[in-house]
Amino acid sequence: EVQLVESGGGLVQPGGSLRLSCEASGFTFSSYGMHWVRQAPGKGLEFVSTISRDGGSTYYANSVKGRFTISRDNSKNTLYLQMGTLRGEDMAVYYCARAPTIHSGSYAGFDYWGQGTLVTVSS
Amino acid sequence: DIQMTQSPSSLSATVGDRVTITCRASQTIVGYLNWYQQKPGKAPKLLISTASTLQSGVPSRFSGSGSGTDFTLTISSLQPEDFATYYCQQTFSPPLIFGGGTKVEIK
Repeated sequence: EVQLVESGGGLVQPGGSLRLSCEASGFTFSSYGMHWVRQAPGKGLEFVSTISRDGGSTYYANSVKGRFTISRDNSKNTLYLQMGTLRGEDMAVYYCARAPTIHSGSYAGFDYWGQGTLVTVSS
Repeated sequence: DIQMTQSPSSLSATVGDRVTITCRASQTIVGYLNWYQQKPGKAPKLLISTASTLQSGVPSRFSGSGSGTDFTLTISSLQPEDFATYYCQQTFSPPLIFGGGTKVEIK
């Protein structure tokens, strides 16, 4: 059974940092591009970041570029999101998701999602 | 970056209605368009991948069509469990942007 389990969310002050993790199981982790998506309270889905199967290519939403870093450890089946200089608008539920790679940079749909982890940015 | 425009943002419908949601990309995304359903407090669920591929276990009343820049999600006969928010997403070229969502409510 495919499972994605996020952790690391919590309360952080504006300007602070947080690292999210997403532990994968039930599939060959290194065969899939992995992604972070967030959803602010009462708002729609927002793409955050993508990392290729081997970690060699990464992409970010303009809203987080330069502040967030996506990475993965294929030996530990784990995806990470290092978040820095956090702002109020970063407060959201953060989901990790997987998607089959069709060709470099292009993916099929996000077919499995984690349950999400809540990041609260407040003083 | 490719922008995604989804319409309508909300709609009211009755059980049994045929419902259509559209999504337009700011440039061609070939067929790299996906549709998701989300219910409150839950993670999104992939319904249709690459414009028209119905995911396993998704009822056949859901269908997707389109290519290039214009895409459609159709629910042929709305059921009570279909009241939810629906999102499109392009996965042709990062950033993999989502549409703004369509909330389907009970009339």
